[in-house]
This record gives sequence, structure tokens and C-alpha cells, in this order.
Amino acid sequence: GAVVSQHPSWVICKSGTSVKIECRSLDFQATTMFWYRQFPKQSLMLMATSNEGSKATYEQGVEKDKFLINHASLTLSTLTVTSAHPEDSSFYICSATPVGAQETQYFGPGTRLLVL
Amino acid sequence: RKEVEQDPGPFNVPEGATVAFNCTYSNSASQSFFWYRQDCRKEPKLLMSVYSSGNEDGRFTAQLNRASQYISLLIRDSKLSDSATYLCVVNRVDSNYQLIWGAGTKLIIKP
Repeated sequence: GAVVSQHPSWVICKSGTSVKIECRSLDFQATTMFWYRQFPKQSLMLMATSNEGSKATYEQGVEKDKFLINHASLTLSTLTVTSAHPEDSSFYICSATPVGAQETQYFGPGTRLLVL
Repeated sequence: RKEVEQDPGPFNVPEGATVAFNCTYSNSASQSFFWYRQDCRKEPKLLMSVYSSGNEDGRFTAQLNRASQYISLLIRDSKLSDSATYLCVVNRVDSNYQLIWGAGTKLIIKP
């Protein structure tokens, strides 16, 4: 149980295009979903916290207009990287916390984004 | 000062050796502590939570020293499959549900 999926697992795109990444909790309902970014040889950095039905809370330095987050249901959150540039190339990972077990985060397998 | 600091690594150790990871955190009010394992190009996976009394799971032992704001992880009888990056994680004080990640320490077990 407690499986989180991400789609796509990897994507290569041209500079200036937008990329949407989906995060789904497959067998539980998630109160909260988190979006992280990890550059090579660095730690995970929290980008934003997403609660179903409300606006995401972005961390300092993360542009909300560039990284659009939609959390329309208790099992799905999406992150859209708008007008992607090479410096946005990274490993994007989501995690989800089950209803009633908010100290536990289950991680998706990550999405590797390469912007040319 | 980083909120969570770990040994920079990498650690290169022979199979069967005992390995110790150290971690310090800056906010004394932090409440929850974890060790995660991350394999190359994969998502992090929870290895174990760390409790004040210390806890053990097979070959893995985690300890917490709140006075020193120090967390440790010990791996005994290391296996080749233990090769990974080990991440020390602490909860964010102003939100119990947000995690602060150390940079990780890479472990390489050699046959």
C-alpha cells in the first residue's frame, strides 16, 4: 500500500515549452502533497506544499507563476513548469501524506526533466 | 549554518564493516527525525524514524541526542546492497509536516 506514482518519469523538451508533471496517490487519499526539486549531488529542496482545494504554498525563491501547482482532488496534484529553460533541468519529486497520518510522506519515483 | 548538516562523504568501506553516519541540526525545537536512503536516480525511501530512546532495526541502529542536536545511524555488517546515499531529515518546526533534508552522505561498499 501507500503507492505514489509520477508521470512522466522523464521528459526532454525545448527551451520555452511548458511541461506538466502528475503526482498521484494510488491507494490512499492525500491531504497534502509536496513538490521537491533535486539538482545533482544536492539535497532535496522543497518547492511548494499543496493542499487539496486550496492554493499551494510556495517556498521562498520559488516563482509561483513559473511553477504552477494544481491539487484538484485528494489523489492528484500537478506541477507545470511554464516556459522551461535549461536551468530548470532537474529531478522533480512529489510526496503525499495520507489523511490522518500527516507525519508520514510517501514519495513518488520522480520525474527527470531535461530542457535543451 | 545549514539547518541539517551531514558528513560530506563519500564513505568507501569494505563489505562487512561497520559504518557510522553523523548528522547535526540547528533548530533545538525540531520534533521528528528520520534517516532516508536514496539510490542513484531514484526517490528517497524511509529507512527509519529516530526516537529519543534510540531504535534498532536489524543491522541498523539510530540514535538521537537532543542536548547536542545530533543524530546518528550505524550500519553493522554492511552489505553491497547498502551502497546508497543516506539522508538525515528533520521536521520543520513551524510546520510539523514539512521536512528539511541534509545533503546526504554517499556510502560505497566494496567487495
